[in-house]
Amino acid sequence: GQQLNQSPQSMFIQEGEDVSMNCTSSSIFNTWLWYKQDPGEGPVLLIALYKAGELTSNGRLTAQFGITRKDSFLNISASIPSDVGIYFCAGYTGNQFYFGTGTSLTVIP
Amino acid sequence: GAVVSQHPSRVICKSGTSVKIECRSLDFQATTMFWYRQFPKKSLMLMATSNEGSKATYEQGVEKDKFLINHASLTLSTLTVTSAHPEDSSFYICSARSLAPNTGELFFGEGSRLTVL
Repeated sequence: GQQLNQSPQSMFIQEGEDVSMNCTSSSIFNTWLWYKQDPGEGPVLLIALYKAGELTSNGRLTAQFGITRKDSFLNISASIPSDVGIYFCAGYTGNQFYFGTGTSLTVIP
Repeated sequence: GAVVSQHPSRVICKSGTSVKIECRSLDFQATTMFWYRQFPKKSLMLMATSNEGSKATYEQGVEKDKFLINHASLTLSTLTVTSAHPEDSSFYICSARSLAPNTGELFFGEGSRLTVL
């Protein structure tokens, strides 16, 4: 199935730094979702976005639904070691879900 | 958020045996559930869409006779890997779409690690 373009593929950052990742698509989505997956676990929903231009926060996480409805970004502020994991986006057209290729985040204490 | 539970979390079986994995939506009804396979350090690969009360829809290249899916109720879907072989060893994850209060949210189970000896 179609996969969304997600970047960067991996990030190595110092604890305390901010992180930004994004997903783009050629398709228009009704919903953008951001997940975090720890090794050996299922993905956990972090933020859900429903309207173009919407900016939503969940603690240190902030995500935005792009105005064109074809992109979204996720920011993590003041990263901590437990932020380590794989983050991926998902877009929902109203019929199908499409997933990003994932961003692997490593936080160096 | 909504909870999706998957069981077992880990299973080891001998080649040629069948293994059943359950996916339950614990606090909402799900007419549609999804089954994925995930290889190490890779994104989710959709295997099939499980529809309550009807046949599952399989993605291209996924053998429906190999991976049997049953969605007998609004809260339970099962994936049975039949006559498992070592190449079927993988991480299998299910998800369910919440219909309320927001229709576009997708929740995942904890995943099931299958090892076929």
